[in-house]
Amino acid sequence: DAKTTQPNSMESNEEEPVHLPCNHSTISGTDYIHWYRQLPSQGPEYVIHGLTSNVNNRMASLAIAEDRKSSTLILHRATLRDAAVYYCILREGSNYQLIWGAGTKLIIKP
Amino acid sequence: KAGVTQTPRYLIKTRGQQVTLSCSPISGHRSVSWYQQTPGQGLQFLFEYFSETQRNKGNFPGRFSGRQFSNSRSEMNVSTLELGDSALYLCASSLNSGRPTDTQYFGPGTRLTVL
Repeated sequence: DAKTTQPNSMESNEEEPVHLPCNHSTISGTDYIHWYRQLPSQGPEYVIHGLTSNVNNRMASLAIAEDRKSSTLILHRATLRDAAVYYCILREGSNYQLIWGAGTKLIIKP
Repeated sequence: KAGVTQTPRYLIKTRGQQVTLSCSPISGHRSVSWYQQTPGQGLQFLFEYFSETQRNKGNFPGRFSGRQFSNSRSEMNVSTLELGDSALYLCASSLNSGRPTDTQYFGPGTRLTVL
């Protein structure tokens, strides 16, 4: 199974951009990159997904490296409500199961 | 639309008992997946149901089972509870199954404590 590697934790200041990295060096050509986040005491929440091109939505942007071996989730202006564990996940295999890693705990400092 | 609902939110059981957890997906969603989340193992996939059929199964013992009803509501059952089954059990629904772009919508989870 393809795996992802993320830093255990990151800190950022409120109202500043945040770049959350993810390495997936064994990604295959058909694996989609998904990001979810889990706020304290809640279930995970979908953030964004992409295959090859950079993607934007109202929550975040996803920048995918040209070789697809890494990607970066960008929160353009972090708020205290963005403090959560962010998971970078590959949706893979014939059944496209989500294979969850340990995620990155994002700490936002006021 | 109402989100994914899970009942009960909290449960306390003793070893050897069995437990049934319930999940109501978002209206119109036909796929329901179950996950176990523990501090040590993180999020682990249990199984997925689509149109009342189990489509995928994770690496859990047979004590963990589930089913899906015709209205897409799902239940999971754990028999002969062990201390290690203490966890947050999360249910997620999606419109379809088996597509790489499927988005999963999670419920708040059921916190199970086994004493």
